[in-house]
Amino acid sequence: DTEVTQTPKHLVMGMTNKKSLKCEQHMGHRAMYWYKQKAKKPPELMFVYSYEKLSINESVPSRFSPECPNSSLLNLHLHALQPEDSALYLCASSQGTGFYEQYFGPGTRLTVT
Amino acid sequence: DQQVKQNSPSLSVQEGRISILNCDYTNSMFDYFLWYKKYPAEGPTFLISISSIKDKNEDGRFTVFLNKSAKHLSLHIVPSQPGDSAVYFCAASPYNQGGKLIFGQGTELSVKP
Repeated sequence: DTEVTQTPKHLVMGMTNKKSLKCEQHMGHRAMYWYKQKAKKPPELMFVYSYEKLSINESVPSRFSPECPNSSLLNLHLHALQPEDSALYLCASSQGTGFYEQYFGPGTRLTVT
Repeated sequence: DQQVKQNSPSLSVQEGRISILNCDYTNSMFDYFLWYKKYPAEGPTFLISISSIKDKNEDGRFTVFLNKSAKHLSLHIVPSQPGDSAVYFCAASPYNQGGKLIFGQGTELSVKP
């Protein structure tokens, strides 16, 4: 089973709203990732969690706040977003952070109005 | 500064023939390379990977070649099938940077029956 699930599939939010994206994997992976993908562009790394600790933050604005409640779950809390934050948000997981392939979820399509 | 480049935005191939997708990189600190396939409205699907100590890796119809001196890798798909039509991303992981992946811009492959 190489499934990473993400909820919701679609999200529309206003600039003053607070919302959360959720990601779950049951493969026993110890590394989890958030990526952002704009239309016709490649995925761009936002955050890496390794063994439930934040190990990489790619200078992401503080209006994006990641959280890893346990080894299977990864959340991305959103607050005061801008319209340019509209994108596909992808979660991924891997066995570790070395020579391991990352498995991606289907993504959450976020629209900020 | 694009560290991973896929210079062909699109490629069209006849069913049954070979598809060759190319990728160039500039950072000599990359030590792990991966290929992903992406359908619209889905997350990237892992295809095949290669570490920098190898020059070839095969998995079924997919073979990845790495030429370190040229900083070039390629994905060969033989024989190509209509179901292979998708966007293909190459990705590279820098040494000792905790699972970070840097993606190329993608190549859209169309396999015609």
